[in-house]
Amino acid sequence: AQSVSQHNHHVILSEAASLELGCNYSYGGTVNLFWYVQYPGQHLQLLLKYFSGDPLVKGIKGFEAEFIKSKFSFNLRKPSVQWSDTAEYFCAVQRSNDYKLSFGAGTTVTVRA
Amino acid sequence: EPEVTQTPSHQVTQMGQEVILRCVPISNHLYFYWYRQILGQKVEFLVSFYNNEISEKSEIFDDQFSVERPDGSNFTLKIRSTKLEDSAMYFCASSGMTGNQPQHFGDGTRLSIL
Repeated sequence: AQSVSQHNHHVILSEAASLELGCNYSYGGTVNLFWYVQYPGQHLQLLLKYFSGDPLVKGIKGFEAEFIKSKFSFNLRKPSVQWSDTAEYFCAVQRSNDYKLSFGAGTTVTVRA
Repeated sequence: EPEVTQTPSHQVTQMGQEVILRCVPISNHLYFYWYRQILGQKVEFLVSFYNNEISEKSEIFDDQFSVERPDGSNFTLKIRSTKLEDSAMYFCASSGMTGNQPQHFGDGTRLSIL
């Protein structure tokens, strides 16, 4: 079965620090990749997506992610976090011939002011 | 920005009772989904729905579950006879003209089975 792994369960960092969240998946075929964010009390929101083309994708709120096919990875980065980035972050994978999303376990990010 | 809306936000039900969770997808979307997240676990796919029929379902989606699009706007998930292990957060999602467009999620319904 396809699986999605997020390396960190909880990350705590200070404002202006850089953030990188790891995501690996096990499916060997063509995939679409997503990062979603869930702010406290809110719904899952799409941060960014990769379907094809440039493996470095930019999303909202200054986030970016890099697809490395050889490593089956899609890591999320932000050079300088803000207190408002405190949220739970989910990596999700969709096979190109399938529509359902397979989610990672999520990473809780706490940014201290 | 258009939103997916879910009602109720919290549902408390006795074990063995039927429950219906409601969702209003984004109006021009064609693909609809239900996911659930048991406390402390991953978000799991339950079912996808397109063209008035189920297009895919997971092992979790057994005979106790059903989905319906009773009119042009609502998309419902029914659990016929709830079990304790059905307690979870249930998320509805919808996507646009093709199934592999990004899915937009609702706020979720927290289902508590007593």
